[in-house]
Amino acid sequence: DTEVTQTPKHLVMGMTNKKSLKCEQHMGHRAMYWYKQKAKKPPELMFVYSYEKLSINESVPSRFSPECPNSSLLNLHLHALQPEDSALYLCASSTEASGLTDTQYFGPGTRLTVL
Amino acid sequence: AQSVTQLGSHVSVSEGALVLLRCNYSSSVPPYLFWYVQYPNQGLQLLLKYTTGATLVKGINGFEAEFKKSETSFHLTKPSAHMSDAAEYFCAVSDQVAGGFKTIFGAGTRLFVKA
Repeated sequence: DTEVTQTPKHLVMGMTNKKSLKCEQHMGHRAMYWYKQKAKKPPELMFVYSYEKLSINESVPSRFSPECPNSSLLNLHLHALQPEDSALYLCASSTEASGLTDTQYFGPGTRLTVL
Repeated sequence: AQSVTQLGSHVSVSEGALVLLRCNYSSSVPPYLFWYVQYPNQGLQLLLKYTTGATLVKGINGFEAEFKKSETSFHLTKPSAHMSDAAEYFCAVSDQVAGGFKTIFGAGTRLFVKA
């Protein structure tokens, strides 16, 4: 199984809502990532988890809260978002075997719209 | 810090013609370079990567790229374009950062294939 799954595919939320994005992989990968991608732009790294521990936080606002409950699952909790947070949120995973040369496997993303 | 620059935000070719997507890198150390493809409403997928060894790298779907240190380039080519190649292509480089490593993506090149 070389697939990274993300749910939901689409999410519309108001600025006062609380919602969560979910990402799952069963490839035995020990590194997992959250990216944000605005239209016609490259993905921007938000968070990296290595062996279920947060290793990189790219100065992301606290209204985004990541969680890695186990080695297969990655969540992104959303609260009090702004309209400018509307984007495609991509999850990815990699083996972490060698880090710099690892291939990242991406999920299809969650299209988030904040009203 | 390492970076990549993709020349041309849009490239248009006819079906059956050569595809050439340009990428130049900036790095003070030997770079690890990647090409990813993103089809509409999907995540990214690795086409190929250069780590060490042979400078001509073959990837999936008939694509290949040549690492040229003297030109600091890693251009992506395909001898004959197919309609299904229409997508966004990202050149990327791995960079060592505090906490681990991160992937730095270029701005992307949209490939259009004309019938």
